[in-house]
Amino acid sequence: KAGVTQTPRYLIKTRGQQVTLSCSPISGHRSVSWYQQTPGQGLQFLFEYFSETQRNKGNFPGRFSGRQFSNSRSEMNVSTLELGDSALYLCASSLGAGTSYEQYFGPGTRLTVT
Amino acid sequence: AQSVTQLGSHVSVSEGALVLLRCNYSSSVPPYLFWYVQYPNQGLQLLLKYTTGATLVKGINGFEAEFKKSETSFHLTKPSAHMSDAAEYFCAVSELSGNTPLVFGKGTRLSVIA
Repeated sequence: KAGVTQTPRYLIKTRGQQVTLSCSPISGHRSVSWYQQTPGQGLQFLFEYFSETQRNKGNFPGRFSGRQFSNSRSEMNVSTLELGDSALYLCASSLGAGTSYEQYFGPGTRLTVT
Repeated sequence: AQSVTQLGSHVSVSEGALVLLRCNYSSSVPPYLFWYVQYPNQGLQLLLKYTTGATLVKGINGFEAEFKKSETSFHLTKPSAHMSDAAEYFCAVSELSGNTPLVFGKGTRLSVIA
């Protein structure tokens, strides 16, 4: 069974630009969660989607947004990029909503903002 | 609010020695507790989790952890370290029967010396 796929794996953007990251969950998984990982702040939760509905949202500014499609694939968008948005963005999928279900993580998208 | 403290950002052990990674949590309700491992340039992998029931939890790769409510701890142990155990380890907590997002500790980097 294929794992969680994230595209692109690496990305370099300039301050002020916007970026869209993609996550394809494991087949049959209906929940997708996004996390930001930085050396300073560690791993922080961004969003959780289940059946196309945002179920939980972390404490991030409105520049960070996401969505989930009917095939469970998810995208997250960051507008007006800042240097501090440089991070590894991890996506995780699970069969159901919440942490009762094991989350399977993708390899991440490394975003560098210059 | 829930939080996780991992004591020691870096732990170094000799091959064959006991591995002990410390995790203390703060939660106002019965928590779900998790340990994840991250190898370089990869996503996170679940090692083990505690939800309810037996307080000693066994996970993959010979790791185990014990939930101690009185000490608000969930330390990770492995009797004999292997070189392949070198990685970053994250403790995480979730509340309300898994309906709140994962809150991670800052992580502990484990080095194994031959």
